[in-house]
Amino acid sequence: DAGVIQSPRHEVTEMGQEVTLRCKPISGHDYLFWYRQTMMRGLELLIYFNNNVPIDDSGMPEDRFSAKMPNASFSTLKIQPSEPRDSAVYFCASSPLGSSPLHFGNGTRLTVT
Amino acid sequence: GQQVMQIPQYQHVQEGEDFTTYCNSSTTLSNIQWYKQRPGGHPVFLIQLVKSGEVKKQKRLTFQFGEAKKNSSLHITATQTTDVGTYFCADHTGGFKTIFGAGTRLFVKA
Repeated sequence: DAGVIQSPRHEVTEMGQEVTLRCKPISGHDYLFWYRQTMMRGLELLIYFNNNVPIDDSGMPEDRFSAKMPNASFSTLKIQPSEPRDSAVYFCASSPLGSSPLHFGNGTRLTVT
Repeated sequence: GQQVMQIPQYQHVQEGEDFTTYCNSSTTLSNIQWYKQRPGGHPVFLIQLVKSGEVKKQKRLTFQFGEAKKNSSLHITATQTTDVGTYFCADHTGGFKTIFGAGTRLFVKA
């Protein structure tokens, strides 16, 4: 089991650019979650999917953020346009059932200058 | 929405001392999870508590769920430098959303 795989590990971009973060969940896990971690706000749930369908996106900060899950093995989180306040570590996590513990990827550290 | 409050925010201990972090909710929790995040790492699941008054142990770690299911604690006996990191409790009550507390960052001085 390779675990949850995220790419890239690090992303540095300029304000106004589009950023795409990628996630491959553990095979067989029906739930996928995107979290953002900052010192000020801790671990925030942005959105989660069940069987590729977005269930709750109430944590998505604004319209600049969008997430998709075109199939069971791939999800993206896109920020367009990016702003310096988007700088954070973005984690993807998956679980086999909604009530199961989360398995996190290694995260993407995003820096927007 | 559902929120869990976690204290303390930071804890500095000498190696060999004990450590406890507390998690509190204003409403009844259906279950609570604990995670550990090493510096520069990602959260890793430790344990889930479901039953009122439940106590579970993992080597030097003891986890408790309050009788009213509104609070939980993690106690580490005789800390080691490998215990360094941030410990999060997480509320799993609101459907399938896992909401994390602010975490307690543990520093261990050798």
